[in-house]
Amino acid sequence: GEDVEQSLFLSVREGDSSVINCTYTDSSSTYLYWYKQEPGAGLQLLTYIFSNMDMKQDQRLTVLLNKKDKHLSLRIADTQTGDSAIYFCAEPNSGYALNFGKGTSLLVTP
Amino acid sequence: NAGVTQTPKFRVLKTGQSMTLLCAQDMNHEYMYWYRQDPGMGLRLIHYSVGEGTTAKGEVPDGYNVSRLKKQNFLLGLESAAPSQTSVYFCASSYSSRNEQFFGPGTRLTVL
Repeated sequence: GEDVEQSLFLSVREGDSSVINCTYTDSSSTYLYWYKQEPGAGLQLLTYIFSNMDMKQDQRLTVLLNKKDKHLSLRIADTQTGDSAIYFCAEPNSGYALNFGKGTSLLVTP
Repeated sequence: NAGVTQTPKFRVLKTGQSMTLLCAQDMNHEYMYWYRQDPGMGLRLIHYSVGEGTTAKGEVPDGYNVSRLKKQNFLLGLESAAPSQTSVYFCASSYSSRNEQFFGPGTRLTVL
C-alpha cells in the first residue's frame, strides 16, 4: 500500500526556521500527528492537528495542513540545538494503529 | 506515574534462543502496541491489542508472538531468534485508537 512519505534529512543553522514536510495517504484521516524522537529515547507526541483545521500554532511550532494535496508540514521557528532529533509524521490507519513515516533527522548546527 | 516501561533495556541473543520483552503501562490504557525500529525503515507495527485478552497482527508479525493477560501488560515473545530480528523494539499504549500513543524507552536487541 501507500506509505507516509517524509524527507530523511534536514540541516539548519541555529536561529533559522526548520520546515519538515510529510505526505500522508488517507484523505479521511481525522487527526494527523507529529512525534519527536531524541537520541536513545522513545517517541513523544510533539503536536497534532484535526483534519478540519488548516493551521495550528503552538509557541515555536506551526503545523500546516493541505487536505487537497494530503500534505502536512511542521515549522519550527528559531530552531535550537536541542531541537536536533528525528521527527515522525503519523496518521491513523484503517485498523487501530498509526502509520508512521520513516522520520526526518533534523540536525541543528551552531 | 511511570507511564510506559519496558524491560529489559538491552539484550544480546544467539540465533535460535528465545526471550520475552515486557511492556507495562500504568495509565489504564486499552490499546497497546509493539513496534520495531530499523534504520531507514521507520517504525513498523508488529502486533497490537485493543484490550485485555485480545491481540492482533500488525504489519510485520512473523517470528513474534504476543500476550495480553493483564490490561497493564503486553508481552512480546521471540520463540527462535534470528539475526533479522536485531532491532530496537518500542512498546506504546493509548486510551483509544484515535488518541495520542505514549511510548516506552525501547529495548535494543541484538541477535548474533
